[in-house]
Amino acid sequence: AIQLTQSPSALSASVGDRVTITCRASQGINSGLGWYQQKPGRSPKLLIYDASNLASGVPSRFSGSGSGTEFTLTISSLQPEDFATYYCQQFNGYPFIFGPGTIVDIK
Amino acid sequence: EAQLVESGGDLVQPGGSLRLSCAASGFTFRFYSMVWVRQAPGKGLEWISYIGSSTTTIFYADSVKGRFSISRDNAKNSLYLQMDSLTAEDTALYYCARLQAPSAMWDVFDVWGQGTMVSVSS
Repeated sequence: AIQLTQSPSALSASVGDRVTITCRASQGINSGLGWYQQKPGRSPKLLIYDASNLASGVPSRFSGSGSGTEFTLTISSLQPEDFATYYCQQFNGYPFIFGPGTIVDIK
Repeated sequence: EAQLVESGGDLVQPGGSLRLSCAASGFTFRFYSMVWVRQAPGKGLEWISYIGSSTTTIFYADSVKGRFSISRDNAKNSLYLQMDSLTAEDTALYYCARLQAPSAMWDVFDVWGQGTMVSVSS
């Protein structure tokens, strides 16, 4: 099965910072990747689909890029409501796999 | 607005069974493929099962294959997960979610429920 790794596993950042999270797949998955945000006690929220498309209602400070085996999620200017855990997920084939998550907390 | 509401979570003894339900509203349920995803306390997300819009295609994660059974009733706008032979490793918050595109087999999950908690302990 395809494995996903995320780096870093956690980061501390300040409001206004540019933040980049990387997701790597153990084999090529074309653009079959999504990104989710999850806040404590809340359900995951879709941010990005097909590696680079912004989901409906998601602020434009979020962006995704990549294809094949390496993908990035970028938050251009971190806002207070962005402190959360971020997961990548591949959907290029079954089983669907989520990355282990990246915790973004306040510096 | 599309909405999913899970129910049926409970405390159950090891080896026991439980049936989870997911009620859908605000969209044409019969057009969409659905999944169950779980999250153990303090852990990440784990996809466990998929069912196509017409129920002809079903997938399971290896961790639940042979023990869990996914089903749906399009007339009742409902998704189900029958869980048998439960172990402590099945303790988790169980979410149902919708695949984004109608009739999709591979896609992201754009609508999530709030989750229902399953605890397996003696």
